[in-house]
Amino acid sequence: ETGVTQSPTHLIKTRGQQVTLRCSSQSGHNTVSWYQQALGQGPQFIFQYYREEENGRGNFPPRFSGLQFPNYSSELNVNALELDDSALYLCASSLASGDETQYFGPGTRLLVL
Amino acid sequence: RKEVEQDPGPFNVPEGATVAFNCTYSNSASQSFFWYRQDCRKEPKLLMSVYSSGNEDGRFTAQLNRASQYISLLIRDSKLSDSATYLCVVWKGTSGTYKYIFGTGTRLKVLA
Repeated sequence: ETGVTQSPTHLIKTRGQQVTLRCSSQSGHNTVSWYQQALGQGPQFIFQYYREEENGRGNFPPRFSGLQFPNYSSELNVNALELDDSALYLCASSLASGDETQYFGPGTRLLVL
Repeated sequence: RKEVEQDPGPFNVPEGATVAFNCTYSNSASQSFFWYRQDCRKEPKLLMSVYSSGNEDGRFTAQLNRASQYISLLIRDSKLSDSATYLCVVWKGTSGTYKYIFGTGTRLKVLA
């Protein structure tokens, strides 16, 4: 096990709602990256948080936002949910922003109806 | 064109067969390379890093060709338990952000 945990494991929402997903990083890791994996696709980079600041963003709209807390745990918030937001959301923690080794959590599976 | 491209498969092979996957990447500034394995409805797990000199871990051999910008994974003596999706991953930094760029994955089914 990687020591990275995510909650909830599964979630069902309807279009237009808002959702918050949570991630606890591995002990000692100060960087969290979030990825979206649609069915049949590879994970896509959403954004990264390093020491509580957003440290880079992929090609996702502003309704995808996040936070990192002083204990380095993190949240991913998605507003105005769309059907295409249905996916597996993965977080990965690493020791530092430039550390090439990322440890993935088990993911949260989101279904938007 | 996607930054990392893989044949999605599926590759259906009998137990004991040797199977090879290739992956190409478009950005020559890519810094590190990995193969991840992902089982159905699970998170990706690191299989191995990929080095230019080639590296081997048991039945698995990975190779990087920087000149041609491709990565390969060879699995010898396939086991039923090797059935999974294999993700090619490129790691690179841009303006201080370091991220993984994944291919779509290649599905492997090892048949009894």
